[in-house]
Amino acid sequence: DQQVKQNSPSLSVQEGRISILNCDYTNSMFDYFLWYKKYPAEGPTFLISISSIKDKNEDGRFTVFLNKSAKHLSLHIVPSQPGDSAVYFCAARSMDSNYQLIWGAGTKLIIKP
Amino acid sequence: SAVISQKPSRDICQRGTSLTIQCQVDSQVTMMFWYRQQPGQSLTLIATANQGSEATYESGFVIDKFPISRPNLTFSTLTVSNMSPEDSSIYLCSVLQGNGYTFGSGTRLTVV
Repeated sequence: DQQVKQNSPSLSVQEGRISILNCDYTNSMFDYFLWYKKYPAEGPTFLISISSIKDKNEDGRFTVFLNKSAKHLSLHIVPSQPGDSAVYFCAARSMDSNYQLIWGAGTKLIIKP
Repeated sequence: SAVISQKPSRDICQRGTSLTIQCQVDSQVTMMFWYRQQPGQSLTLIATANQGSEATYESGFVIDKFPISRPNLTFSTLTVSNMSPEDSSIYLCSVLQGNGYTFGSGTRLTVV
């Protein structure tokens, strides 16, 4: 049973445009959500997070939106840059999980010049 | 955030042998996690390793296959024992500081 789902295996976006990556979850006990970026041959790198008490968090070009009623979050990257090409993972943590993260399958973002 | 040195970065091993992966953290951390990422898959938690206690393994992972040591607050090892080709994966360590999770650069293991 996948508790965190990223339904788009890949996404192609023109440089300079907005990239929107989506993530759905099923566990209503999740209270903290994170986005990571991963390049080949490297570990995941933290991008941005959001607590369930908020519906938006912004950091530079990255904004995460949380819709708790829909159990949906999205990562917006604007403007998209070639260096943003990577695999993006969303992860969630339950308040009763002993700090363990549940990960989505990832979305490969390709920024076209 | 913490900086993690993970070694080796990659290895090719014969089936039936064992490989020990090391993670050294530049600061003291209580919680450390070991993950596996099989080709084209997401990250799967193998175990949580807290200093001073036995590692807690997730369903599908056992100590005999993946023994873990956590001798202090800055170091941990994961051993992949009696390897088979199905163990070919990327193995990652991660630490928690505050609300942030930092990852090592990963170990790409190929079993032949």
